[in-house]
Amino acid sequence: SQTIHQWPATLVQPVGSPLSLECTVEGTSNPNLYWYRQAAGRGLQLLFYSVGIGQISSEVPQNLSASRPQDRQFILSSKKLLLSDSGFYLCAWIAAPNEKLFFGSGTQLSVL
Amino acid sequence: GNSVTQMEGPVTLSEEAFLTINCTYTATGYPSLFWYVQYPGEGLQLLLKATKADDKGSNKGFEATYRKETTSFHLEKGSVQVSDSAVYFCALSDRGNTPLVFGKGTRLSVIA
Repeated sequence: SQTIHQWPATLVQPVGSPLSLECTVEGTSNPNLYWYRQAAGRGLQLLFYSVGIGQISSEVPQNLSASRPQDRQFILSSKKLLLSDSGFYLCAWIAAPNEKLFFGSGTQLSVL
Repeated sequence: GNSVTQMEGPVTLSEEAFLTINCTYTATGYPSLFWYVQYPGEGLQLLLKATKADDKGSNKGFEATYRKETTSFHLEKGSVQVSDSAVYFCALSDRGNTPLVFGKGTRLSVIA
């Protein structure tokens, strides 16, 4: 069966520090992968999505970046965190268009 | 572009009350429609879906009917329980490789 792993679950980082959040999917191949951010009062915001290795589409300009070094690995990064980067980050995957989206358990990031 | 608008929360109901969470959409073509639920501290999970006009999705006592004429997909439940307290997201997929578009979410609190 397919599973999605996302870590860490919680993270507290100072302003200006780097960030690396990792997401891996098991039990499927060539999934479409997504990073969403859920900030208080702003709902679910799509940050990046990837339809294949090395292919990244950015939905919102910001100081975050994403990479997909392997088929089932999706990494969210930042060189210097801002206070506004605080939020709940969710990784998700979908096997095919129009199928349901599977979400990871999320990472609560607090930038202080 | 595609968009989803759902009623603002929070919604507070007593146990066994009737629930309606409104959702309307704007899309080109014939999208698939979804309701996702996020329980406290967790990622999102699919609650129900409908893929064509007049389809009714249902799960765990929740229902939603795809209404093309009113571009709506309202979520209903006849008798809510405390365990239904969560954030509910309406979403659409245009069947291509583009990511799901989510509404901002509606927080539901059910009190005993």
